[in-house]
Amino acid sequence: QVQLVQSGAEVKKPGSSVKVSCKTSGGTFSSHAISWVRQAPGQGLEWMGGIIPIFGTANYAQKFQGRVTITADGSTSTAYMELSSLRSEDTAVYYCARGREMATLSHYYYDMDVWGQGTTVTVSS
Amino acid sequence: DIQMTQSPSSLSASVGDRVTITCRASQGISNYLAWYQQKPGKVPKLLIYAASTLQSGVPSRFSGSGSGTDFTLTISSLQPEDVATYYCQKYNSGPSITFGQGTRLEIK
Repeated sequence: QVQLVQSGAEVKKPGSSVKVSCKTSGGTFSSHAISWVRQAPGQGLEWMGGIIPIFGTANYAQKFQGRVTITADGSTSTAYMELSSLRSEDTAVYYCARGREMATLSHYYYDMDVWGQGTTVTVSS
Repeated sequence: DIQMTQSPSSLSASVGDRVTITCRASQGISNYLAWYQQKPGKVPKLLIYAASTLQSGVPSRFSGSGSGTDFTLTISSLQPEDVATYYCQKYNSGPSITFGQGTRLEIK
């Protein structure tokens, strides 16, 4: 079955950047959206953005516009999320998740049935 | 942007109780609504999609209903393993996803 495997925990200084990877195995990569969702300690789920590899398009939540970049590499079935200008409030668990349905030109994002294990990013001086 | 508002933010119920959680969208989203369960320290799990379709493997005591702006998640007979936080999520055709703020469910 489809699995998403994320890169390991990161500790970063304020003002720096972090890049988290998410590798898909056991299923098709290009035609399903990959979203990035974060969860700060004790807080809820927050969608940061996503990408549809076959279309090559990324979409971002307004809150993260200009600070997050989501990319995908079809040759390795891996999606990436890079967050810059880190601050302490960015300390969170970052998840990638796969759309249950294949994306179409009229509908990119769906509910998400497969999630990565999460990557803890700690921002501290 | 469409906002998703869940109520209540937390609730406590007894084993065997019928539990209902509500999610309201600030604009109509047809039936593009999903529900997730997240247990402490665990990855979110998809319970229901398309407002009322049960994801494979999810116990039948979970059900969803609604369309447009008002949606509900119902647990027909609460079990101890249902202690978790529940989130709704909208995914209509605008290229974005929004989660509700979550509802924490505890056993009385």
